[in-house]
Amino acid sequence: QKEVEQNSGPLSVPEGAIASLNCTYSDRGSQSFFWYRQYSGKSPELIMFIYSNGDKEDGRFTAQLNKASQYVSLLIRDSQPSDSATYLCAVKRSSGSARQLTFGSGTQLTVLP
Amino acid sequence: DTGVSQNPRHKITKRGQNVTFRCDPISEHNRLYWYRQTLGQGPEFLTYFQNEAQLEKSRLLSDRFSAERPKGSFSTLEIQRTEQGDSAMYLCASSLVQGEKLFFGSGTQLSVL
Repeated sequence: QKEVEQNSGPLSVPEGAIASLNCTYSDRGSQSFFWYRQYSGKSPELIMFIYSNGDKEDGRFTAQLNKASQYVSLLIRDSQPSDSATYLCAVKRSSGSARQLTFGSGTQLTVLP
Repeated sequence: DTGVSQNPRHKITKRGQNVTFRCDPISEHNRLYWYRQTLGQGPEFLTYFQNEAQLEKSRLLSDRFSAERPKGSFSTLEIQRTEQGDSAMYLCASSLVQGEKLFFGSGTQLSVL
C-alpha cells in the first residue's frame, strides 16, 4: 500500500464546474496535509495546507480533512482552464524528527473551456 | 526573494559518469530539501538540511548519492557512477525552520544514456 494515494486521472470538468480531488494516506499519525499544484514542465507550488478535521477555504479552493477516514480532498469551485494541472497531495509524518513531505503521484485535472 | 535557483537545468550524461547539481535556496531559508521526480509520479524525498547539518536521508538513497551544504547556503547533490535508473527531475526546495511552505526550484532534468 502506498503511503499517499491519489486517483491519477485524468479528471476532466467543464469550465465553471466544481472539481473534486481526493487523497488517502496510510500513516494514521500524520499531522499536516498539503495540496500542491504542478503545471506541466514546472515545479510544484503550494496551494493549501490543513491540520485540523473539517474544511479550510481559500478563495475558490477548499481543503477537507477527515483523520478518522484518513482522507483529504481539494475542491476547486468555478474551475477555470488555468486550473488545468496536476494536483499533488502531500503528507507530513509525525514520527521523530521527520520533516520531509510524502507526496502522492498526483491527479491530472483538465478544465474544458 | 529571488526564488530557489537550480543549475544546470538539463544534464545529459553517459552511464557510469559522475554528475553534480547545485541549488541556491531563498537566502533567509534555513531548510533545504532534495527531491527526485519521475514522469507520472510525485516528488520523492531524498534528503534535507537544516543550515549546514544534513538531518535526514531517505532509505532509498543509495551510497552513490551524496549531498552537501557546506556553509548553510547553497547545496550540491552528486551522483557517482550514474545508472539509467537515475534519469529523473531533481528538485530542490527550501523553507524557513518554522515554515510549512516549501518553495521549489525549477529542477535539474537528468538523462543518463
